Amino acid sequence: SQELEQSPQSLIVQEGKNLTINCTSSKTLYGLYWYKQKYGEGLIFLMMLQKGGEEKSHEKITAKLDEKKQQSSLHITASQPSHAGIYLCGADGNTDKLIFGTGTRLQVFP
Amino acid sequence: DTAVSQTPKYLVTQMGNDKSIKCEQNLGHDTMYWYKQDSKKFLKIMFSYNNKELIINETVPNRFSPKSPDKAHLNLHINSLELGDSAVYFCASSPLSGRKQYFGPGTRLTVT
Repeated sequence: SQELEQSPQSLIVQEGKNLTINCTSSKTLYGLYWYKQKYGEGLIFLMMLQKGGEEKSHEKITAKLDEKKQQSSLHITASQPSHAGIYLCGADGNTDKLIFGTGTRLQVFP
Repeated sequence: DTAVSQTPKYLVTQMGNDKSIKCEQNLGHDTMYWYKQDSKKFLKIMFSYNNKELIINETVPNRFSPKSPDKAHLNLHINSLELGDSAVYFCASSPLSGRKQYFGPGTRLTVT
């Protein structure tokens, strides 16, 4: 079965700093999703990547899928307290099942 | 307008009780899901329904029974609650052909 490993598990950065979260799959990714979960709330869709080498950006967040389609990275530029939360990568599993990564907890302090 | 809603948001109950969590989506999606997020924040799928039919049933105890009265609703009923059932349960929905899932706000279940 497919597994997604995220690193780091936890990240504490100072406001204004850049950061990167990685998501590595045990199998080829045919669809990779990034979600953000604010503490105590539901998941918010950020981006979806499907093609090898694809890169998408939304505001200060950029996500990339490597050429081999087994690893994705999420990069935040000039982090702000509003970026704090849990970031989850998700991948297409069998049928309609989304498999989620282990999650990365991000804290941003002023 | 709330796209995917769940009730209740918090649920505290004693071991052995039976409880239900309700989920409704107003997006016109064909597929709905239930996920469980444990204390380590690991999110795992439990069930998936497509047009009121069960299509995914992960290894979940029989005490958990999903019910979909119509395409817009997917409820989760839990019998004989155990301490290990304490978690946050998320409902989600997606279009038939899409993978982007829209999540509800979650229901935090605490079994004492």
